[in-house]
Amino acid sequence: DTGVSQDPRHKITKRGQNVTFRCDPISEHNRLYWYRQTLGQGPEFLTYFQNEAQLEKSRLLSDRFSAERPKGSFSTLEIQRTEQGDSAMYLCASSLVMTGYSYEQYFGPGTRLTVT
Amino acid sequence: GQQLNQSPQSMFIQEGEDVSMNCTSSSIFNTWLWYKQDPGEGPVLLIALYKAGELTSNGRLTAQFGITRKDSFLNISASIPSDVGIYFCAGQLKDNYGQNFVFGPGTRLSVLP
Repeated sequence: DTGVSQDPRHKITKRGQNVTFRCDPISEHNRLYWYRQTLGQGPEFLTYFQNEAQLEKSRLLSDRFSAERPKGSFSTLEIQRTEQGDSAMYLCASSLVMTGYSYEQYFGPGTRLTVT
Repeated sequence: GQQLNQSPQSMFIQEGEDVSMNCTSSSIFNTWLWYKQDPGEGPVLLIALYKAGELTSNGRLTAQFGITRKDSFLNISASIPSDVGIYFCAGQLKDNYGQNFVFGPGTRLSVLP
């Protein structure tokens, strides 16, 4: 399977703990996006990378959130000092952007975070 | 911020019926994407639209990019049970090339046998 993969699929943590999620995009894709989705809502944009550069961050991305894409391939999203309000599905998507472009975003299966 | 509205919020239809749903906004978009999401899974891309007035099909699905650039429509013909799920539209703002998409709240489709 050469689609977007995310790990873990599910994470249960206690309030105050740190968690880290990983996303592996489609191999030739140069853009990687992180979204958060709560029940009954559409995905909400958090941040995106063009290769290894983080180009945009949403106001939803508080100081407790940090994302990296060190070599322009996989990405990690870390949440420090988790709060119950962080409980959500965290989705990663990737796309290929170039001259004569295509902007379709392909999503991974998501990581379901539950903060108790 | 920019918002997308989707209607209907939910719909119950009989197997074999056609389905229509739409996505509207007060903002102008240059790209529309339609996704389907099953419970516990990530959204799956159905159709991408890039030009005003564009009409694109993918099997039983047909989507259109509205002429005003503020809306898009998705039709499903001859629905089957596996069409059940939540359908999201996502729009990319006119002056926001290559950056994040804004998602609608979704239309939940139920298909009765």
